[in-house]
Amino acid sequence: EVQLVESGGGLAQPGGSLRLSCAVSGFTFSDYSMNWVRQAPGKGLEWISYISSRSSTKYYADSVKGRFTISRDNAQNSLYLLMKSLRDEDTAVYYCASEDRWGQGTLVTVSS
Amino acid sequence: QAGLTQPPSVSKGLRQTATLTCTGNSNNVGNQGAAWLQQHQGHPPKLLSYRNDNRPSWISERFSASRSGNTASLTITGLQPEDEADYYCSAWDSSLSGWVFGGGTKLTVV
Repeated sequence: EVQLVESGGGLAQPGGSLRLSCAVSGFTFSDYSMNWVRQAPGKGLEWISYISSRSSTKYYADSVKGRFTISRDNAQNSLYLLMKSLRDEDTAVYYCASEDRWGQGTLVTVSS
Repeated sequence: QAGLTQPPSVSKGLRQTATLTCTGNSNNVGNQGAAWLQQHQGHPPKLLSYRNDNRPSWISERFSASRSGNTASLTITGLQPEDEADYYCSAWDSSLSGWVFGGGTKLTVV
């Protein structure tokens, strides 16, 4: 069974940091590029970052560029998102996703 | 970043057919094709199709996707009450180097 399970969300203060993880099982993780997508409360979906299968290429949305870092460990079948300098507007549910599979999401709340 | 265009709402009757549209440009929908996601209130998005007409095995055949030029479409036949949800389209944009999403269409089954 294909599973993408995000973790690491929670409450962070403005200016703080969090590291999200996405544990993958049921498919050959190292064959797939991966993405992080977020959804603010009551809002639509927003793509925030991409990483190629071998980590050679990374892209970021302007809204997170310079603050967020995407990475992966193919040996551990895991995807990561390091979030720094968090802002109130980063409050959202964060999903990891490949082209054909999505996780269940983890909630990040940025508030003092 | 520029997004894809979806009608905010569509209303159809039970057992009818609904066709949802998603308009982009030659850098996204017209190039790489589109994906469709269904989201019920309070739940994560569920992928219905990707690269235009690839449907995961666990998705009902009542859902079919297609593309014509820069416009992608999702057709849902035999509408059921459980089809009432928000539907989002997405596509890889080669000029932005990222996914772009539509604003979502709220489908109401009356």
